[in-house]
Amino acid sequence: AQSVTQLDSHVSVSEGTPVLLRCNYSSSYSPSLFWYVQHPNKGLQLLLKYTSAATLVKGINGFEAEFKKSETSFHLTKPSAHMSDAAEYFCVVSLYNQGGKLIFGQGTELSVKP
Amino acid sequence: KAGVTQTPRYLIKTRGQQVTLSCSPISGHRSVSWYQQTPGQGLQFLFEYFSETQRNKGNFPGRFSGRQFSNSRSEMNVSTLELGDSALYLCASSTDSQGVETQYFGPGTRLLVL
Repeated sequence: AQSVTQLDSHVSVSEGTPVLLRCNYSSSYSPSLFWYVQHPNKGLQLLLKYTSAATLVKGINGFEAEFKKSETSFHLTKPSAHMSDAAEYFCVVSLYNQGGKLIFGQGTELSVKP
Repeated sequence: KAGVTQTPRYLIKTRGQQVTLSCSPISGHRSVSWYQQTPGQGLQFLFEYFSETQRNKGNFPGRFSGRQFSNSRSEMNVSTLELGDSALYLCASSTDSQGVETQYFGPGTRLLVL
């Protein structure tokens, strides 16, 4: 069975410090992996995606993620947090030929302190 | 291009009623997926339509149904509403549903069942 585990339900950082949001996946096949962000009362916005090309993926707003097959991880990082980064972040796995079905992690709420 | 639009944005219903939600995908997108988001269960896949055919279905009771029209617009219907159906319903569109395509989400319809 395919699954996604976000290791932290809540992460708090100070503005200007690095961000690390951790994600592990379980899949029998090579997955496509995504990070989405959801601001309060908003829909989901794509940050970045991995589809078996480069293992280090750069996304919007300075975020990036590294796919590590040996560790089945896809952690999201950002060198310097901004107040506007406060939101909920979802790690998502998608399987080939699964008819649009995305499997979401439980989400990590990121707080950014001034 | 206009993004994914969902109507209505907010809805209040009472138990036993039925409700229909609408989703208009990004122009040119033929795949529409629906998700339910609740605090307890997180984001869960409901179903996906491609070219007017349901291609994948999540683990929801038959009270949840959907359809897609020839212009790719989609509707989902929930009959005999229960309190537990209160949730944010998100739809997402993509060019196809082979697993590697990015799904773009709408702002959601927030349904409250009293």
